[in-house]
Amino acid sequence: SQQGEEDPQALSIQEGENATMNCSYKTSINNLQWYRQNSGRGLVHLILIRSNEREKHSGRLRVTLDTSKKSSSLLITASRAADTASYFCATDSGGYNKLIFGAGTRLAVHP
Amino acid sequence: GAGVSQSPSNKVTEKGKDVELRCDPISGHTALYWYRQRLGQGLEFLIYFQGNSAPDKSGLPSDRFSAERTGESVSTLTIQRTQQEDSAVYLCASSPGNGGNTIYFGEGSWLTVV
Repeated sequence: SQQGEEDPQALSIQEGENATMNCSYKTSINNLQWYRQNSGRGLVHLILIRSNEREKHSGRLRVTLDTSKKSSSLLITASRAADTASYFCATDSGGYNKLIFGAGTRLAVHP
Repeated sequence: GAGVSQSPSNKVTEKGKDVELRCDPISGHTALYWYRQRLGQGLEFLIYFQGNSAPDKSGLPSDRFSAERTGESVSTLTIQRTQQEDSAVYLCASSPGNGGNTIYFGEGSWLTVV
């Protein structure tokens, strides 16, 4: 069964707008990671947030983690058409990168 | 190599045939993972290698699936007597070691069983 569940399933926005994607999970975690996937092929790691961290930034990305609510959010600011992709959250509970992925959010950014 | 390399990139096979999918991890990465992704879905964990041993193979869906790793390098995922429901992208990933490290994915092998 899936650990992480993202919402929304699909998100369509205009360039320049911010995109927010949410992820919920069920069990305690060591860390939570966000990945991006273009065209159904390889995944690219975006950011890792550990269970004792609450917020992390990387460029236009901002990730928050609320372990009390077992949820995380990924914010992409000032979106670009090139940000169009599927975004997945993945949780690591076992401590050896056995990642459990959600079904992902398909983001479409229109010029 | 510079990244995780997988072959073949695409494979079409007839139902009932066996297939082998290969993964070359990043040099020096001791941990290797196989995941499966069905169309429009998230990734499903299949198996994890640390070195040449597989401490967690809990995700292998049936005994038709097996994987091995040799020389703490190349891994092969074998699917015997393929079924149509095996059609998916099979993604390999590697990481330097224990958890908490970034894992790096290959581009995947797209398997279609007809």
